[in-house]
Order: sequence, then structure tokens, then C-alpha cells
Amino acid sequence: AQSVAQPEDQVNVAEGNPLTVKCTYSVSGNPYLFWYVQYPNRGLQFLLKYITGDNLVKGSYGFEAEFNKSQTSFHLKKPSALVSDSALYFCAVRLSSNTGKLIFGQGTTLQVKP
Amino acid sequence: GAGVSQTPSNKVTEKGKYVELRCDPISGHTALYWYRQSLGQGPEFLIYFQGTGAADDSGLPNDRFFAVRPEGSVSTLKIQRTERGDSAVYLCASSAQSYNEQFFGPGTRLTVL
Repeated sequence: AQSVAQPEDQVNVAEGNPLTVKCTYSVSGNPYLFWYVQYPNRGLQFLLKYITGDNLVKGSYGFEAEFNKSQTSFHLKKPSALVSDSALYFCAVRLSSNTGKLIFGQGTTLQVKP
Repeated sequence: GAGVSQTPSNKVTEKGKYVELRCDPISGHTALYWYRQSLGQGPEFLIYFQGTGAADDSGLPNDRFFAVRPEGSVSTLKIQRTERGDSAVYLCASSAQSYNEQFFGPGTRLTVL
């Protein structure tokens, strides 16, 4: 069965330090991978995606993610965290067929402390 | 430009009632999606439209749930005989094509008493 796992319910990091939010997936075929962020009382916002090509993908607000096929992972990273990055982050996967259906992980709360 | 809009933002209803939730996608987006998000969970796929037709409705939980998109733009999610377990935030998203990133609306919070 297709699934996405975010093993950490919460990640705590000090402002200015690097951050990593983990995501692993299980799908058949080549996946399309996405990261979304959800701020309180706001909708999901697209951060970045991996379709094909370079394994390191750069996205909005200085975030990047690294696709690792052998480890079936797509971890979200940022070199220097900001307090304003504190939010709920979702990893999602879609099969490489034409279906638009996204399968989401359960989410990871990122808390950046000053 | 305008993003995805959803109305109402909040809906409180009684068990057994019928509700309709509306989604206005980004202009020109051919693909439209409905998801449901329960507290502490990631969004769960319900149905996806490509144009006017439902391309994938595999996520609809049962036959009380139905969605339409008659002119290929606005979509309505309809829930009959609501149950307390239907309480959740219902999210709508649209994309230019099915393989592009999806842009989400703010959601409709449905509470069934």
C-alpha cells in the first residue's frame, strides 16, 4: 500500500541552527514528492516538489529537500532556521501516473525558539 | 491573483442534516481536489476532478458523500444524513494540470452536533 511516514511529531530547533524534518515513503513506481506548510488558521502552502532530475530541490523561504531513492526518503532542510518557520509541515506523495491524488503524512510540528 | 476560496468557512449542523460545501478554484485550473483533515492528521484524499468529470473518487468514504463540478469550475461537496464522525476540516485544492502542485483553499470547518 502507498504510504508516507513522518516519524517525528515535533522537531525543536534554536533560531539560526540548521533544521531537518524527516519524511519516508512507500509507493510502487516513481514517486512525485511534495512538501507543504500549514500556519495556524491558514491553508496549506506549497513549499517544493521533486519530479525528476537533481536530487536536491530548492523551494520557497529558503527550504530545500533531498530525494534519496535507495532510502525512500525526502527530508526537508533549511541551513538556518527562523522563528517564523514555526508551523506544521506535511510531506506528500503522488504516483507518477496522471492521477492527482496526494497521500499525506501525518505532519510534523516545527518549533523554532529564539 | 485570487487563490482558492471555500464557503462557508464554518458550518455547524445537526446529525442527520444535509450540507453543501462550495469551492471556487483558481481561474483556469482544470484539476480540482477535495480532501478531509481531522484534528492532528494529514489531509485525506476524497475526490479529484479533471474538468467536469470525477477522475478518481476512491476516497469518498461512503455513498452519503457526493461531489459535482458541472461547468468545470466551481465544485460542491454534498454530504447527506451527516454523522458526528463527519466533523472535520474539508479542504479544496486546484492545479493547472493533474501533475502540477496543488494550491489549497482555507478550508471549511464542519461540525456535526
